[in-house]
Amino acid sequence: SSELTQDPAVSVALGQTVRITCQGDSLRSYYASWYQQKPGQAPVLVIYGKNNRPSGIPDRFSGSSSGNTASLTITGAQAEDEADYYCNSRDSSGNHLRVFGGGTKLTVL
Amino acid sequence: EVQLVESGGGLVQPGRSLRLSCAASGFTFDDYAMHWVRQAPGKGLEWVSGISWNSGSIGYADSVKGRFTISRDNAKNSLYLQMNSLRAEDTALYYCAKDNGGVDDAFDIWGQGTMVTVSS
Repeated sequence: SSELTQDPAVSVALGQTVRITCQGDSLRSYYASWYQQKPGQAPVLVIYGKNNRPSGIPDRFSGSSSGNTASLTITGAQAEDEADYYCNSRDSSGNHLRVFGGGTKLTVL
Repeated sequence: EVQLVESGGGLVQPGRSLRLSCAASGFTFDDYAMHWVRQAPGKGLEWVSGISWNSGSIGYADSVKGRFTISRDNAKNSLYLQMNSLRAEDTALYYCAKDNGGVDDAFDIWGQGTMVTVSS
């Protein structure tokens, strides 16, 4: 099965730009989706596909991909963006298999 | 309102079984694949299992293969997870998640989860 690797923790100053990355072989074939999870809450989809945002997600969230690395960028981070972020993609070994990255804890300073 | 509501969690002894349910509303259930995702206390998300709209394609994480069975009843707008031979490491909050149905795979709707605790 595939694996996705994320940095465990990242910090950003309020109003600055931060990039959260996700690495894995499956990302050469499939797009990543990104989820924000705040304490005690269910995850929320923030980015999917090439760079698509669900309704209600601020446009400061964007996604990109290159080779085996997918990135979630927050341009002008806000205090409410402090959360855990997870990437997910299809597992390269099967149609309905999926895999999550280990998650990145984002701290907004 | 689009909604997923999980139920069936609880405290169960190692080796026993439990069946989780997920009731869907607010969308055409049989148009979409569905998934189970779990999160152990203080840990990250783990994809558990997924099922296509017509149950024709099913997948499992290696950690649950052979012990868990996913199913759905489109007439009842419901998703299920039969969990057998439960282990302590299956202790987690289990989320039901809707697939967005496009070529850009994503889980666009999540339930609030149901807690499963495996302990003697």
